[in-house]
Amino acid sequence: DAKTTQPPSMDCAEGRAANLPCNHSTISGNEYVYWYRQIHSQGPQYIIHGLKNNETNEMASLIITEDRKSSTLILPHATLRDTAVYYCIVRVSNDYKLSFGAGTTVTVRA
Amino acid sequence: NAGVMQNPRHLVRRRGQEARLRCSPMKGHSHVYWYRQLPEEGLKFMVYLQKENIIDESGMPKERFSAEFPKEGPSILRIQQVVRGDSAAYFCASSPTAPPNYGYTFGSGTRLTVV
Repeated sequence: DAKTTQPPSMDCAEGRAANLPCNHSTISGNEYVYWYRQIHSQGPQYIIHGLKNNETNEMASLIITEDRKSSTLILPHATLRDTAVYYCIVRVSNDYKLSFGAGTTVTVRA
Repeated sequence: NAGVMQNPRHLVRRRGQEARLRCSPMKGHSHVYWYRQLPEEGLKFMVYLQKENIIDESGMPKERFSAEFPKEGPSILRIQQVVRGDSAAYFCASSPTAPPNYGYTFGSGTRLTVV
């Protein structure tokens, strides 16, 4: 699996956009970028994934650079309930294992 | 449609006892995965099961740990003769296909404390 690098923590003001970076410089052509989050004392929650095009759903947007070596998860209007650890994971589509790193602890402040 | 159900949410066992963790996948999901999260660490894959079959147990400790997913009923993760180092949160995920076309659905976990 390609490894990812994320900042250990970041703060965000409630109502503002939160931009979470992820570096995956060794990603291979058939690996997708997945984002999950884990709110305290809960199981991981799937957010979004993409291969090379930008993606958007009701939770977030995913921006992948053209060279695919990095990506950014955007929470458009952060709320206090978005406080969580966010994990960026790369894996090939036919691999069922998820390799969780340390993630980014995001704290949304009022 | 209920999500992935895990029980108990919290389990306390004395050293040497057995722990049984249960996971009921989402309706229509026949693939189950177990992950372990040790304190202050990330989640680690343990085992992948389909109904009545263990597909990949490469992440399971070699001794004392076993898993099953019978034809009827929930998947069970069994830890025999628990030790303090087994204290962790154990999460189960399920999917209708393997791997899923999107993300996995995880349960809320079982927090095992060995005293």
